[in-house]
This record gives sequence, C-alpha cells and structure tokens, in this order.
Amino acid sequence: EAGVAQSPRYKIIEKRQSVAFWCNPISGHATLYWYQQILGQGPKLLIQFQNNGVVDDSQLPKDRFSAERLKGVDSTLKIQPAKLEDSAVYLCASSLDAGKDEQYFGPGTRLTVT
Amino acid sequence: GESVGLHLPTLSVQEGDNSIINCAYSNSASDYFIWYKQESGKGPQFIIDIRSNMDKRQGQRVTVLLNKTVKHLSLQIAATQPGDSAVYFCAEKDSGNTPLVFGKGTRLSVIA
Repeated sequence: EAGVAQSPRYKIIEKRQSVAFWCNPISGHATLYWYQQILGQGPKLLIQFQNNGVVDDSQLPKDRFSAERLKGVDSTLKIQPAKLEDSAVYLCASSLDAGKDEQYFGPGTRLTVT
Repeated sequence: GESVGLHLPTLSVQEGDNSIINCAYSNSASDYFIWYKQESGKGPQFIIDIRSNMDKRQGQRVTVLLNKTVKHLSLQIAATQPGDSAVYFCAEKDSGNTPLVFGKGTRLSVIA
C-alpha cells in the first residue's frame, strides 16, 4: 500500500513570497490533515478535511494560510505571504475517516523562510 | 490551555537495555493516547495506542502504560536496538472529533 505522498520535500523562499505544498493521501482515506512542526516541537494541527469539507481549521492563520481539497483526494496548502516564523516542516496525514484515530503521515515538506 | 508534555528531552541507552520514555498530560478528558516514532527526515510513525479504559497495552517489544490518576503515560521498549534511535512523541485526544495534541518529543539515542 502506497503511503502519503508530499511534494516538494524541501523549499527555501524569502519572506513575503508565496509557497504551496501538495499532498496525496492514502487511497480511500476520507480524512486529511495538515500539521506544522517547528523544530524541536511536536506537530500542531493546522486544518482537517473530511472528504472535501473542512472539519477543523481553528489553528490555521487564515490571514496568510489557505488550504483546499477540492475533489476530496489531493490537497494543497498555501502560504502567502510567508514570514520567517513559518519556517517548519509541514506534514500531511490521512486516516480512513474522522472516526478512525490512526493517522498515517507523509514525509513532510521542510520550509525555510529567509 | 491544555497541553501534553514530556519529562525528559533526551534519553541515551545501551543497546540491549530497556528504554522508558515518559509523558505527562493535563487534559483530564483525554481518553485516547498514541505514541509516535519520528526518524530524521520522516513523518511520525504510529507505534502503539491505548484507550483510557485500559492501563496497559503490549505490542511487539513495546508496552504502553497509562496512569490516569496522575495523568501519566509511558512507553517501554524492550531490548532497545540501534534502529530505535528516533524522537518519540506522545499524543492525546478526547472523545469526539477533536484534534490530536502532540507533546514536544523525547530523543532516544541507542549506544552500540
């Protein structure tokens, strides 16, 4: 079974630029999550999708972050404009559905904002 | 706010010894707990989970203990191997569609 795919794996941008990350969850998984993991800390949930609807985006900085999962499969997370404090690893995870607790994580995208 | 944390940021053990990684949580409503292993450059990998109606659960070389009275969770790894070297996170959630809350992690280093 293929795992969660993410791209790019690494990205370096200057502050005030924009960036987008892509995630392809495990086939058949209805629930998709985006996490931000700052160095030395545990992942923090940014947004959770159930199919193509948003379940929880309470911790998403909506003034600069946006995410979509238009067809209920792939998802993109965008930051515009980026700030220095956005430097982190952005992890995508998926689970069979919202009631299934086991989440499978992708390898993440390491973002460096200079 | 409620938080999940770890007692020790780093742990070094000799190969073959047992490892114990501890975690404290503060949300008394938490009823589901997970341990994740994260190797460098990879996403967290599920190790073992436990629900609040249990106080112990065993997997292959791993055991999770839950003490709800003192809100403490531990992960025991038997016969620690070099491949166990990683950062270990505990995570918790309460009932319903609430997000997982992760602790800061403990780095386990296995000395050959």
